[in-house]
Amino acid sequence: DAGITQSPRHKVTETGTPVTLRCHQTENHRYMYWYRQDPGHGLRLIHYSYGVKDTDKGEVSDGYSVSRSKTEDFLLTLESATSSQTSVYFCAISDPPANYGYTFGSGTRLTVV
Amino acid sequence: DAKTTQPPSMDCAEGRAANLPCNHSTISGNEYVYWYRQIHSQGPQYIIHGLKNNETNEMASLIITEDRKSSTLILPHATLRDTAVYYCIVRLTGANNLFFGTGTRLTVIP
Repeated sequence: DAGITQSPRHKVTETGTPVTLRCHQTENHRYMYWYRQDPGHGLRLIHYSYGVKDTDKGEVSDGYSVSRSKTEDFLLTLESATSSQTSVYFCAISDPPANYGYTFGSGTRLTVV
Repeated sequence: DAKTTQPPSMDCAEGRAANLPCNHSTISGNEYVYWYRQIHSQGPQYIIHGLKNNETNEMASLIITEDRKSSTLILPHATLRDTAVYYCIVRLTGANNLFFGTGTRLTVIP
């Protein structure tokens, strides 16, 4: 989607290695989110940020950490990847109260072998 | 956030109106109804949202019943590109999460 990009788009990594996914936005939106999507579970929130250095946990945060040192970048780190973290990861942005709708990125497909 | 119930799948003929229902019988007075869709392997896309009045935009119309316990998303002239999974979500203003259920898989048939 225009204004939000995720990198990499695809990644294969080995169990036990650290992995960092990047979300970059050019919309200057205050809120940023990381979701994962798995068959049978829909999208589930991992972490979100409501400002620079302000982050909070979502419903499936175990095994993940995040950082937001700039408004435009939100990083998701898997400290030690496991096979259960194989998933498609989506980043989203929103800017309440002006805009409560979420804009999602195109996703990162991560495979942990 | 209130739970929603949607049919798992629906078909619609190309050019016809697609009417996607959603039940949210436990919705509270300050929860909005949101609709998103996800086209295969893309990120979800915002469609429309409303509180209690019917809403229309360039993509769709949202009809919310007077008791607010259910709603219908209407795509007035479905095209093949509207084939997607449609999610109905109810959410408190200012809440920090969108709870996605399993949605309705709409297939538009030529």
